[in-house]
Amino acid sequence: EVQLVESGGVVVQPGGSLRLSCAASGFTFDDYTMHWVRQAPGKGLEWVSLISWDGGSTYYADSVKGRFTISRDNSKNSLYLQMNSLRTEDTALYYCARYFGPKGFDPWGQGTLVTVSS
Amino acid sequence: DIQLTQSPSFLSASVGDRVTITCRASQGISSYLAWYQQKPGKAPKLLIYAASTLQSGVPSRFSGSGSGTEFTLTISSLQPEDFATYYCQQLNSYLFGPGTKVDIK
Repeated sequence: EVQLVESGGVVVQPGGSLRLSCAASGFTFDDYTMHWVRQAPGKGLEWVSLISWDGGSTYYADSVKGRFTISRDNSKNSLYLQMNSLRTEDTALYYCARYFGPKGFDPWGQGTLVTVSS
Repeated sequence: DIQLTQSPSFLSASVGDRVTITCRASQGISSYLAWYQQKPGKAPKLLIYAASTLQSGVPSRFSGSGSGTEFTLTISSLQPEDFATYYCQQLNSYLFGPGTKVDIK
Protein backbone atom coordinates (compact mmCIF):
# COMPACT_ATOMS: atom_id res chain seq x y z
CA GLU A 1 0.00 0.00 0.00
CA VAL A 2 1.30 3.42 -0.94
CA GLN A 3 1.47 5.46 2.25
CA LEU A 4 2.80 8.74 3.59
CA VAL A 5 2.99 9.45 7.32
CA GLU A 6 3.89 12.89 8.65
CA SER A 7 5.24 13.61 12.12
CA GLY A 8 6.86 16.37 14.13
CA GLY A 9 4.03 18.83 14.55
CA VAL A 10 3.92 20.52 17.98
CA VAL A 11 3.14 23.82 19.67
CA VAL A 12 6.04 26.26 19.22
CA GLN A 13 6.56 29.90 20.11
CA PRO A 14 6.83 32.63 17.49
CA GLY A 15 10.39 32.83 16.24
CA GLY A 16 10.99 29.18 17.00
CA SER A 17 12.07 26.30 14.79
CA LEU A 18 10.69 22.90 13.97
CA ARG A 19 11.42 20.01 11.62
CA LEU A 20 8.64 17.98 10.10
CA SER A 21 9.16 14.50 8.71
CA CYS A 22 7.25 12.43 6.19
CA ALA A 23 7.89 8.67 5.98
CA ALA A 24 7.07 7.05 2.66
CA SER A 25 6.31 3.39 1.99
CA GLY A 26 4.83 1.19 -0.70
CA PHE A 27 6.52 2.87 -3.66
CA THR A 28 9.97 3.69 -5.01
CA PHE A 29 10.50 6.95 -3.14
CA ASP A 30 13.41 8.24 -5.19
CA ASP A 31 11.38 8.05 -8.41
CA TYR A 32 9.18 10.96 -7.33
CA THR A 33 9.17 14.67 -6.70
CA MET A 34 7.58 15.38 -3.32
CA HIS A 35 5.60 18.36 -2.00
CA TRP A 36 4.48 19.97 1.23
CA VAL A 37 1.02 21.57 1.37
CA ARG A 38 -0.51 23.26 4.40
CA GLN A 39 -4.00 24.15 5.56
CA ALA A 40 -4.65 26.75 8.23
CA PRO A 41 -7.59 25.98 10.53
CA GLY A 42 -10.85 26.41 8.62
CA LYS A 43 -9.03 27.62 5.49
CA GLY A 44 -8.10 26.27 2.07
CA LEU A 45 -5.05 24.46 0.78
CA GLU A 46 -1.78 26.34 0.33
CA TRP A 47 1.13 24.87 -1.59
CA VAL A 48 4.36 25.27 0.41
CA SER A 49 7.35 23.60 -1.25
CA LEU A 50 8.63 20.90 -3.58
CA ILE A 51 11.80 18.88 -3.96
CA SER A 52 12.88 16.91 -7.01
CA TRP A 53 13.56 13.18 -6.89
CA ASP A 54 17.27 13.68 -6.24
CA GLY A 55 17.03 16.77 -4.07
CA GLY A 56 18.71 18.83 -6.75
CA SER A 57 15.82 21.25 -7.25
CA THR A 58 13.71 22.90 -4.61
CA TYR A 59 11.00 25.57 -4.80
CA TYR A 60 9.08 27.51 -2.20
CA ALA A 61 5.98 29.62 -1.84
CA ASP A 62 6.81 33.28 -1.31
CA SER A 63 5.21 33.09 2.13
CA VAL A 64 7.91 30.69 3.41
CA LYS A 65 10.89 31.48 1.20
CA GLY A 66 14.03 32.10 3.23
CA ARG A 67 12.51 30.57 6.38
CA PHE A 68 11.65 26.98 5.38
CA THR A 69 13.97 24.36 3.85
CA ILE A 70 12.78 21.18 2.20
CA SER A 71 15.05 18.15 2.03
CA ARG A 72 14.92 14.40 1.57
CA ASP A 73 16.90 11.28 2.44
CA ASN A 74 16.21 8.68 -0.21
CA SER A 75 18.11 6.03 1.76
CA LYS A 76 15.50 6.44 4.50
CA ASN A 77 12.48 7.04 2.24
CA SER A 78 11.91 10.27 4.09
CA LEU A 79 10.99 13.87 3.33
CA TYR A 80 11.62 16.78 5.66
CA LEU A 81 10.60 20.39 6.18
CA GLN A 82 12.84 22.54 8.36
CA MET A 83 10.81 25.50 9.56
CA ASN A 84 12.64 28.50 11.07
CA SER A 85 11.53 31.94 12.25
CA LEU A 86 8.01 30.63 12.70
CA ARG A 87 5.11 33.07 12.71
CA THR A 88 1.59 32.75 14.03
CA GLU A 89 0.36 32.62 10.43
CA ASP A 90 2.34 29.40 9.91
CA THR A 91 -0.16 27.63 12.16
CA ALA A 92 -1.62 24.87 9.99
CA LEU A 93 -1.98 21.20 9.27
CA TYR A 94 1.01 20.26 7.12
CA TYR A 95 0.59 17.53 4.52
CA CYS A 96 3.21 15.79 2.43
CA ALA A 97 2.14 14.55 -0.98
CA ARG A 98 3.64 12.58 -3.82
CA TYR A 99 3.76 14.36 -7.15
CA PHE A 100 2.34 11.97 -9.69
CA GLY A 101 3.48 14.06 -12.63
CA PRO A 102 0.72 15.75 -14.58
CA LYS A 103 -1.70 13.51 -12.70
CA GLY A 104 -1.47 15.72 -9.64
CA PHE A 105 -0.79 14.94 -5.99
CA ASP A 106 -1.49 11.38 -4.94
CA PRO A 107 -1.45 10.17 -2.27
CA TRP A 108 -1.41 12.61 0.64
CA GLY A 109 -0.40 11.89 4.20
CA GLN A 110 -2.81 12.41 7.08
CA GLY A 111 -1.12 15.67 8.09
CA THR A 112 0.73 16.93 11.16
CA LEU A 113 -0.43 19.99 13.10
CA VAL A 114 1.89 22.90 13.73
CA THR A 115 0.68 25.54 16.16
CA VAL A 116 2.68 28.73 16.54
CA SER A 117 1.59 30.51 19.67
CA SER A 118 3.03 32.22 22.71
CA ASP B 1 1.47 33.98 -10.82
CA ILE B 2 -1.56 32.30 -12.30
CA GLN B 3 -4.52 32.59 -9.96
CA LEU B 4 -7.50 30.26 -9.72
CA THR B 5 -11.03 31.20 -8.74
CA GLN B 6 -13.86 28.81 -8.00
CA SER B 7 -17.59 29.33 -8.15
CA PRO B 8 -19.69 29.02 -6.23
CA SER B 9 -17.76 29.10 -2.96
CA PHE B 10 -20.65 27.31 -1.28
CA LEU B 11 -23.58 25.34 -2.59
CA SER B 12 -26.44 23.57 -0.93
CA ALA B 13 -27.82 20.55 -2.76
CA SER B 14 -29.91 17.43 -2.28
CA VAL B 15 -29.09 13.78 -2.83
CA GLY B 16 -29.64 13.00 -6.50
CA ASP B 17 -28.98 16.55 -7.70
CA ARG B 18 -26.62 17.32 -10.56
CA VAL B 19 -23.89 19.63 -9.29
CA THR B 20 -21.43 21.71 -11.30
CA ILE B 21 -18.43 23.58 -9.91
CA THR B 22 -16.42 25.99 -12.04
CA CYS B 23 -12.71 26.78 -11.78
CA ARG B 24 -11.25 29.69 -13.73
CA ALA B 25 -7.56 30.42 -14.29
CA SER B 26 -6.23 33.94 -14.74
CA GLN B 27 -4.15 32.71 -17.70
CA GLY B 28 -4.35 29.69 -19.93
CA ILE B 29 -3.08 26.49 -18.35
CA SER B 30 -3.90 24.05 -21.13
CA SER B 31 -5.25 20.95 -19.36
CA TYR B 32 -2.87 21.06 -16.38
CA LEU B 33 -5.65 20.99 -13.82
CA ALA B 34 -6.59 18.55 -11.09
CA TRP B 35 -9.63 18.31 -8.80
CA TYR B 36 -9.58 17.10 -5.18
CA GLN B 37 -12.25 16.20 -2.66
CA GLN B 38 -11.68 16.88 1.02
CA LYS B 39 -13.94 15.65 3.79
CA PRO B 40 -13.75 17.13 7.32
CA GLY B 41 -10.73 15.85 9.22
CA LYS B 42 -9.34 14.03 6.20
CA ALA B 43 -6.60 14.62 3.68
CA PRO B 44 -7.53 15.71 0.16
CA LYS B 45 -8.22 12.94 -2.33
CA LEU B 46 -7.40 13.18 -6.04
CA LEU B 47 -10.52 12.88 -8.18
CA ILE B 48 -9.59 14.09 -11.65
CA TYR B 49 -6.34 15.00 -13.40
CA ALA B 50 -5.49 16.46 -16.77
CA ALA B 51 -8.79 18.33 -16.47
CA SER B 52 -10.95 15.38 -17.48
CA THR B 53 -9.32 12.04 -16.59
CA LEU B 54 -10.93 10.18 -13.71
CA GLN B 55 -8.48 8.86 -11.15
CA SER B 56 -8.64 5.10 -10.67
CA GLY B 57 -11.30 4.08 -8.15
CA VAL B 58 -13.28 7.33 -8.37
CA PRO B 59 -16.99 6.80 -9.14
CA SER B 60 -18.09 7.57 -12.68
CA ARG B 61 -20.67 10.11 -11.47
CA PHE B 62 -17.72 12.50 -11.22
CA SER B 63 -16.53 14.11 -14.44
CA GLY B 64 -14.32 17.00 -15.45
CA SER B 65 -14.08 19.15 -18.53
CA GLY B 66 -12.45 22.26 -19.91
CA SER B 67 -9.11 23.57 -21.04
CA GLY B 68 -7.31 26.88 -21.18
CA THR B 69 -8.92 29.10 -18.56
CA GLU B 70 -12.29 27.53 -17.71
CA PHE B 71 -12.88 24.14 -16.15
CA THR B 72 -15.81 22.34 -14.58
CA LEU B 73 -16.29 19.49 -12.14
CA THR B 74 -19.67 17.79 -12.41
CA ILE B 75 -21.28 15.30 -10.08
CA SER B 76 -24.10 13.74 -12.08
CA SER B 77 -26.14 12.48 -9.14
CA LEU B 78 -25.01 13.67 -5.72
CA GLN B 79 -24.62 10.92 -3.14
CA PRO B 80 -24.48 11.30 0.67
CA GLU B 81 -20.75 10.59 0.68
CA ASP B 82 -20.10 13.45 -1.78
CA PHE B 83 -20.81 16.21 0.71
CA ALA B 84 -17.34 17.72 1.04
CA THR B 85 -15.15 20.60 -0.08
CA TYR B 86 -13.75 20.49 -3.61
CA TYR B 87 -10.53 22.17 -4.74
CA CYS B 88 -9.05 22.69 -8.16
CA GLN B 89 -5.29 22.88 -8.59
CA GLN B 90 -3.21 24.05 -11.50
CA LEU B 91 -0.16 21.91 -12.07
CA ASN B 92 2.19 24.56 -13.50
CA SER B 93 2.72 26.36 -10.21
CA TYR B 94 0.79 23.92 -7.97
CA LEU B 95 -1.52 26.64 -6.62
CA PHE B 96 -4.98 25.68 -5.42
CA GLY B 97 -8.33 27.33 -5.91
CA PRO B 98 -10.12 28.62 -2.80
CA GLY B 99 -12.49 25.66 -2.63
CA THR B 100 -16.21 24.96 -2.99
CA LYS B 101 -18.09 23.51 -0.06
CA VAL B 102 -20.99 21.24 -1.01
CA ASP B 103 -23.50 20.98 1.81
CA ILE B 104 -26.75 19.18 2.36
CA LYS B 105 -29.91 21.16 1.57
